[in-house]
Amino acid sequence: GDSVTQMEGPVTLSEEAFLTINCTYTATGYPSLFWYVQYPGEGLQLLLKATKADDKGSNKGFEATYRKETTSFHLEKGSVQVSDSAVYFCALSRSGGSNYKLTFGKGTLLTVNP
Amino acid sequence: DTGVSQNPRHKITKRGQNVTFRCDPISEHNRLYWYRQTLGQGPEFLTYFQNEAQLEKSRLLSDRFSAERPKGSFSTLEIQRTEQGDSAMYLCASSSNQGNQPQHFGDGTRLSIL
Repeated sequence: GDSVTQMEGPVTLSEEAFLTINCTYTATGYPSLFWYVQYPGEGLQLLLKATKADDKGSNKGFEATYRKETTSFHLEKGSVQVSDSAVYFCALSRSGGSNYKLTFGKGTLLTVNP
Repeated sequence: DTGVSQNPRHKITKRGQNVTFRCDPISEHNRLYWYRQTLGQGPEFLTYFQNEAQLEKSRLLSDRFSAERPKGSFSTLEIQRTEQGDSAMYLCASSSNQGNQPQHFGDGTRLSIL
């Protein structure tokens, strides 16, 4: 079945450091790929998405490129801020009729120190 | 767009009791999903509604779990004869009916079984 594997956390960085969170997936066909973020005490929020190979999703300085050859969707940000501290989830969805259920990774906790 | 609303935010109950959670999706969204998230894990798919029809149920959804969406608007998730293993965050998400649209999540209901 479908699965998502993401980098084990926690990740601790200093403000303005470069961030990479690795994500790889296993799925048949052509899934859509997502990064969701969960800030403390809040629900999941969509951060960015990509729907086909070589697409780059971007939002709030974060980027991820859909790499079909390596089945990867790594999250990057050039300069993190304290406010980026959160749990980040990589996820995929495939069409099953009208059901686009999400399959998530385990999440990576990011802490950014001033 | 008032977002996805879930009630209650927290529920504490004794083992063996029945509990019911409510989800109000974004008003124009036809698709509604329930997920369960345990500590340190990503959310796992439980069930999916297209309007009032429940089209898919995960094998995670035992006979003690039942979900409804009677008028194609709000949804309820009931757990009968709760067990310790039911302690988790229960998340609801909704999306529009056009292709693979991003899912919008509520803040979840945290269930604690004493």
